[in-house]
Amino acid sequence: AQKVTQAQTEISVVEKEDVTLDCVYETRDTTYYLFWYKQPPSGELVFLIRRNSFDEQNEISGRYSWNFQKSTSSFNFTITASQVVDSAVYFCALSEAGRYSTLTFGKGTMLLVSP
Amino acid sequence: DGGITQSPKYLFRKEGQNVTLSCEQNLNHDAMYWYRQDPGQGLRLIYYSQIVNDFQKGDIAEGYSVSREKKESFPLTVTSAQKNPTAFYLCASILTGRATEAFFGQGTRLTVV
Repeated sequence: AQKVTQAQTEISVVEKEDVTLDCVYETRDTTYYLFWYKQPPSGELVFLIRRNSFDEQNEISGRYSWNFQKSTSSFNFTITASQVVDSAVYFCALSEAGRYSTLTFGKGTMLLVSP
Repeated sequence: DGGITQSPKYLFRKEGQNVTLSCEQNLNHDAMYWYRQDPGQGLRLIYYSQIVNDFQKGDIAEGYSVSREKKESFPLTVTSAQKNPTAFYLCASILTGRATEAFFGQGTRLTVV
C-alpha cells in the first residue's frame, strides 16, 4: 500500500531563513507521481509541483526547490529566503499510475514564518 | 474564470440529519474527487468518479454517498450513518486520469451541533 510521511508537524522560522520540508513515500509501483500542495489559511489547496518517478532531476522555481531521490524515497521541498506569505500548511502527496489519479497525502507540515 | 466551486463554505448539521455538499466545476474535467481533512490527519479520499454515472469508494466511504449525473457536478451527501462528520471537505477535479495536477475547491467546513 502507498504511504506518505511528513515527519515535521510544525516548523517555525524567521523571515529570510531557508527551510526544508521533508517527505518520504512508500509505493510498490514503478510508475508514480509526487506532488506538493500549499494550503493557506483560506483552505484551498494550491498546486506547487508534480514529478514523475522517472524524472529525478531537481527543480527550482524562484525561491522554491525540490530534491527527488528515489534511492531514499524522498521528495523534499526547500524554500529559500522565506517570507511571511509562505506561512501555510504544506502537503506532499503520491499518486500511483493504476489508481485513477487518486492522491495519498501526508499529514502536512505547518510552516510559520515570523517577521 | 474556470474553477471549482464548493458550497456552502460553512455548514451546520444537527445529529441525525443528512446534508449535501455541492461541488461544481467548469473546467471540463473528467474526474472528480472528495477528500476529508481532519486536524493533523492530512486529507483522506472519500469517493471519486472518472465518468458520468460512475463512481468508486475511496478509503473512508462509510456514511457518505455521491452521485455523478452531470460532468460538472459531484455532490456529496453526509448521512446520519457517518458517526463523526465534523471536518473540512475538499472537492477536486482532474482533466484526465493520468495524474495531472488536481484542482481543488475552497472547501466546506461541516460542523455537527
